[in-house]
Amino acid sequence: KQEVTQIPAALSVPEGENLVLNCSFTDSAIYNLQWFRQDPGKGLTSLLLIQSSQREQTSGRLNASLDKSSGRSTLYIAASQPGDSATYLCAVNNNDMRFGAGTRLTVKP
Amino acid sequence: IAGITQAPTSQILAAGRRMTLRCTQDMRHNAMYWYRQDLGLGLRLIHYSNTAGTTGKGEVPDGYSVSRANTDDFPLTLASAVPSQTSVYFCASSPVEGSGYTFGSGTRLTVV
Repeated sequence: KQEVTQIPAALSVPEGENLVLNCSFTDSAIYNLQWFRQDPGKGLTSLLLIQSSQREQTSGRLNASLDKSSGRSTLYIAASQPGDSATYLCAVNNNDMRFGAGTRLTVKP
Repeated sequence: IAGITQAPTSQILAAGRRMTLRCTQDMRHNAMYWYRQDLGLGLRLIHYSNTAGTTGKGEVPDGYSVSRANTDDFPLTLASAVPSQTSVYFCASSPVEGSGYTFGSGTRLTVV
């Protein structure tokens, strides 16, 4: 059974900092890995989707990397802003999508 | 706007009552999913459907049923609600099995 772990569980940084969120998974036979953002009381918004054949994906200030062999992915956020405050979820797709517990990010003005 | 519509947004339900959560997508995605999200447990798959006419059980299917009569709709039914089914329920879809997912905005269900 695929296990997905996200570290840290919570992170607080001052505005402007660059930061890295980590995701690890136990079964490397994946189709893809997807990073989501969830605001309090809201649904999940897809940020980046990395296919198993890819090493990284970028969207604006976000960059996600994938190392299948080591079972790791990172989400890099550049020049963080208070509007980035949310919970970030990593999800790994084998035959179904398994989610990590998330990292709750707070960016202080 | 293309996406997933879930209804109701929230509901308080008496234990023992029957309830159907609605999910409709307009993206012509083949696969659809129901998840529940609970504090400390994260998102867990309840049921899924890879294509219209087929359904399958996820990680926590007990107490729930689904149907997939057409591509767009994937209702989730609680036949006799219990307090442990208090949760936030999310519907999701993907173009094909193994693709990225799109999520609805969720239904917050409280069973009392």
